[in-house]
Formats: sequence, structure tokens, C-alpha cells
Amino acid sequence: DGGITQSPKYLFRKEGQNVTLSCEQNLNHDAMYWYRQDPGQGLRLIYYSQIVNDFQKGDIAEGYSVSREKKESFPLTVTSAQKNPTAFYLCASSRLDGPTYEQYFGPGTRLTVT
Amino acid sequence: QQQVKQSPQSLIVQKGGISIINCAYENTAFDYFPWYQQFPGKGPALLIAIRPDVSEKKEGRFTISFNKSAKQFSLHIMDSQPGDSATYFCAASGGSQGNLIFGKGTKLSVKP
Repeated sequence: DGGITQSPKYLFRKEGQNVTLSCEQNLNHDAMYWYRQDPGQGLRLIYYSQIVNDFQKGDIAEGYSVSREKKESFPLTVTSAQKNPTAFYLCASSRLDGPTYEQYFGPGTRLTVT
Repeated sequence: QQQVKQSPQSLIVQKGGISIINCAYENTAFDYFPWYQQFPGKGPALLIAIRPDVSEKKEGRFTISFNKSAKQFSLHIMDSQPGDSATYFCAASGGSQGNLIFGKGTKLSVKP
């Protein structure tokens, strides 16, 4: 069964703690993405990666970090520097050939920081 | 230049009616326009997409209409059903903008 998995589905943290969100895909896609979704704000790009060991900042990268050590995995760390971390986080992946921009999304992780 | 403006923010339609959601863009280099459907608590799912070489694409009850000169595209849902109640996002990409730029979403409610 091919797809994108994100874990956990719900995550609760205290303010000041770093937290890492998991994203794994078995679609053999080269590119992976992290988005943040807030009510009425659409999807905003945090980071993306097109190749292992390389990644680029998106529109709202401040307070976040990522790694891409394996093609299948693209974990996102929400650091204590992120001023308003409570949100719904979505991971996506896509091919880099053919219909390049066709992104497939995971089920999301809802992070609540208090 | 990089924005995609989506309207309306919310939409209520009676069962069997036509739902219409509109998007406008500014970057003429955009060449891929997908629509995503998202149910509460779930990730968005690709619904239908169009490239500017055609003015319309239909898949079942879902149709994208594309107006290149006006830089607008829209999603039409025919015979809307309560199961279509979801948030719909338009997006665009192309040219130097390799990543998808999303509209802010439209929350559709289809009343029985």
C-alpha cells in the first residue's frame, strides 16, 4: 500500500520544548514538502527537499528545521524559537519528472503547544 | 505576482445544485492548476488539475474551467452532494515557481 505516513496524529507539548514530526513515504518520490495549515490561511510552505541531504526554506521557515538523510523520510522539528507553533502540519511528496507539481499529502499531525 | 486569490471563503449549496469556486492568479508563467479537496482532520487530496493548453477539463461531476486571458480558473461541482462538503483549495505553479502556491480555501457545505 503506497502512501505517505505522518506520526503522531496528535501531539501535545509544553512551550519551550522542541518537537519532531515524522513523515515517511514509500512512493519513491524525490521531492518532499512540509506545510503548515491554520484556519483561513490555506497551506503555507515551511521547507522542501528535492534530493537527499539537501533542502530549501519555504515561505515560513523561521523556527523550524528539517533533515533529509533518506529519500523516504523528511522529519520536521518545531523549535522553541517558533513563536506560534500550534497548527496542523502536513507533509507532501511529488515526483520530479512527468507531472512535476502533482503533490500527494499525508494525513497530517495536529500540534498543540501550551 | 505569486499569489493565488480564491473566492468565496465559504459556500452553502443545496443538494443537487451547482457549486462554483473561483481562483485568480497574476504570474503568467504558471502552467499547472490543481484543485485539492480536504475533509476535516485529513490531508488534502488531489481532485482534478488542468494545464493552460485546454480551456476545460471534466472528471465526473467535477469540471475545471480555465480562462488564460483573464488569468482565472474555476471549479464547478455539478449535482452537489452532502458528501462533497469539504474545504477546496486551488493552487498554481510553473516557471521559476516550482512549488505550488495555494489559495486560502473555500469551505463548501451541501445541505440535504
